[in-house]
Amino acid sequence: GENVEQHPSTLSVQEGDSAVIKCTYSDSASNYFPWYKQELGKGPQLIIDIRSNVGEKKDQRIAVTLNKTAKHFSLHITETQPEDSAVYFCAASKRSQGNLIFGKGTKLSVKP
Amino acid sequence: DVKVTQSSRYLVKRTGEKVFLECVQDMDHENMFWYRQDPGLGLRLIYFSYDVKMKEKGDIPEGYSVSREKKERFSLILESASTNQTSMYLCASRPGTGGWETQYFGPGTRLLVL
Repeated sequence: GENVEQHPSTLSVQEGDSAVIKCTYSDSASNYFPWYKQELGKGPQLIIDIRSNVGEKKDQRIAVTLNKTAKHFSLHITETQPEDSAVYFCAASKRSQGNLIFGKGTKLSVKP
Repeated sequence: DVKVTQSSRYLVKRTGEKVFLECVQDMDHENMFWYRQDPGLGLRLIYFSYDVKMKEKGDIPEGYSVSREKKERFSLILESASTNQTSMYLCASRPGTGGWETQYFGPGTRLLVL
């Protein structure tokens, strides 16, 4: 079955710097890759997603890139702010099945 | 706004007790999910349901059962709670039968089994 590896497990950056979180997946049939942000005491919330028919998607300070050949995708956050501090999860799924397989999460800390 | 609510934020139970975790969504979603979240292990799927009275095992169903009598409600049952079931439990829902729709999570229930 699908396996999703996520790195790093913790990431600390200065406010204003960029942050990059990387994920790899094992099943070449996976075609949907969402990213979730989980703030303290809350459930995960979708922040951006990408489908396998595009290589990059951007939403303000957040972007996701997908390399299908290498089977990896990355989350890029530019101009980080303290409110970006949270745990971020990547996930992968096949549209035909639909169940998300999650990475183990990255705890991002943005220092003011 | 899509809303997924869970009946309790915190629960403390004793070993051997039967525990019910309730989840309700208000967006008429077909699919509902139960995950547990543990440090360093991420989110692991316990059970899911794609329709009323339908249920499917996820990756770690042992020690759990579920019930979906109404479309909006999905219950997770620990028949005889054990200390290794101490965890954060997250419910989620998603519309449709494909895999590209957004999945919405509830706030979670932190369960402590003594």
